[in-house]
Amino acid sequence: DGGITQSPKYLFRKEGQNVTLSCEQNLNHDAMYWYRQDPGQGLRLIYYSQIVNDFQKGDIAEGYSVSREKKESFPLTVTSAQKNPTAFYLCASSLHWTGALRNYGYTFGSGTRLTVV
Amino acid sequence: SQELEQSPQSLIVQEGKNLTINCTSSKTLYGLYWYKQKYGEGLIFLMMLQKGGEEKSHEKITAKLDEKKQQSSLHITASQPSHAGTYLCGAVRNTNAGKSTFGDGTTLTVKP
Repeated sequence: DGGITQSPKYLFRKEGQNVTLSCEQNLNHDAMYWYRQDPGQGLRLIYYSQIVNDFQKGDIAEGYSVSREKKESFPLTVTSAQKNPTAFYLCASSLHWTGALRNYGYTFGSGTRLTVV
Repeated sequence: SQELEQSPQSLIVQEGKNLTINCTSSKTLYGLYWYKQKYGEGLIFLMMLQKGGEEKSHEKITAKLDEKKQQSSLHITASQPSHAGTYLCGAVRNTNAGKSTFGDGTTLTVKP
C-alpha cells in the first residue's frame, strides 16, 4: 500500500545536538511538506518542496534544514539553533503543488515526537 | 492559527448525540479541508469543500461551506466512540496552493 513513512516515532535530543527526522513516500507525489504541531495548536509550516531538488522556507524555518535529492525522500534536520524543538513533527505530501487545490488534499505521515532531554 | 478560528476548542458528548464544529476564516476562502487526527498520529483526510453552499458527507460526518460567511461547519450525527479525536480545518488558497493554513483543532470526546 502507498503512503508516507516517518521515522523514528519518538526521538530524544540532547542540548546542542542536531537530529534528522526521516520522511519517505511511495505515492509518486511531487510536493512534500514538514509541519510542526505544538499542544493545542494547529500545524505550522516549516519547509516545503514543490518538486525534487527544490525546497522553500515556510513560516517557521529558523533552526531547521531540509534536502530533497530524491522524489521519495524529504528529511528534516533540527539543528542546535532551534531553541524550542520539543514538538510533534508531521510530514505530508500532495500529488502536485497545485494538487492541493483539488480534491486530493494532503497525505500525512504518522508523525515523530521530538523531546529535548 | 489566527486565520482560521475553530469553535469550540473541545467538546464532550454522550454517545448517540449530534454535534457541530465550526471553522471561520478571516480571509477569503477558495476552499476548505477537514481532517481528523487521533492523539499522537497523523491527519486523516475527510473531505474538501470548494463551492459556496457545497455539502459533502463521509459516513456520518457532513460538512458544508458557506462561502459568503467564510465559514464551514462539520456535523456529526449519532456520535460514536470512533468519532473521538481532534478535527482540524485547513484553508485552501488559490495562490500558493500548497501553503494551506490550519485551524488549532477541536477535540471531541464521546462518552459511551
